[in-house]
Amino acid sequence: GQQVQQSPASLVLQEGENAELQCNFSTSLNSMQWFYQRPGGSLVSLFYNPSGTKHSGRLTSTTVIKERRSSLHISSSQTTDSGTYLCALATYQGGRALIFGTGTTVSVSP
Amino acid sequence: GGIITQTPKFLIGQEGQKLTLKCQQNFNHDTMYWYRQDSGKGLRLIYYSITENDLQKGDLSEGYDASREKKSSFSLTVTSAQKNEMAVFLCASSIEGQVFFGKGTRLTVV
Repeated sequence: GQQVQQSPASLVLQEGENAELQCNFSTSLNSMQWFYQRPGGSLVSLFYNPSGTKHSGRLTSTTVIKERRSSLHISSSQTTDSGTYLCALATYQGGRALIFGTGTTVSVSP
Repeated sequence: GGIITQTPKFLIGQEGQKLTLKCQQNFNHDTMYWYRQDSGKGLRLIYYSITENDLQKGDLSEGYDASREKKSSFSLTVTSAQKNEMAVFLCASSIEGQVFFGKGTRLTVV
């Protein structure tokens, strides 16, 4: 089965609403990273967060290793937050270096 | 800070053609990756390399070759381009599980 699962697959928000994106993993964790991508754009690293909570502006990432999950919280969403959010798990088991989730597509309307 | 440079940004090839994509990084990272990103399918690992002259196959290596002759560069060759090859190819490098991406090469096969 899939080792990294993201939910929800897509999310529609009104500007100003908060959102929480989830990443659950079934294998051991070396590190967790969150990326953002605009349609047709490049991947931008948001957080490198192996454990605990990190903040950056309106974004918060929390990784709880024991529960095998990581979340990305967007507060007071803006239209510029629209795009795809990907989580990536780094693990060195079985020779797989980095495993990506399938992403959450966020659409924020004014 | 460092940068990952992928060339070319856009590549148009003919069906059956051998095509090479190049990637350079100045982070001095040991590990480099090639991913393919198809619309709606997330990222899939083609090849990675943990050091100069090392090559490891990913899930999608069939139909591709890779070369890591120097620590700073990692090239990917599409051995015989197919029309379903159209995708964005992303190069990345990493250190201690934290990954940095290039802006991608968009491949179109005609």
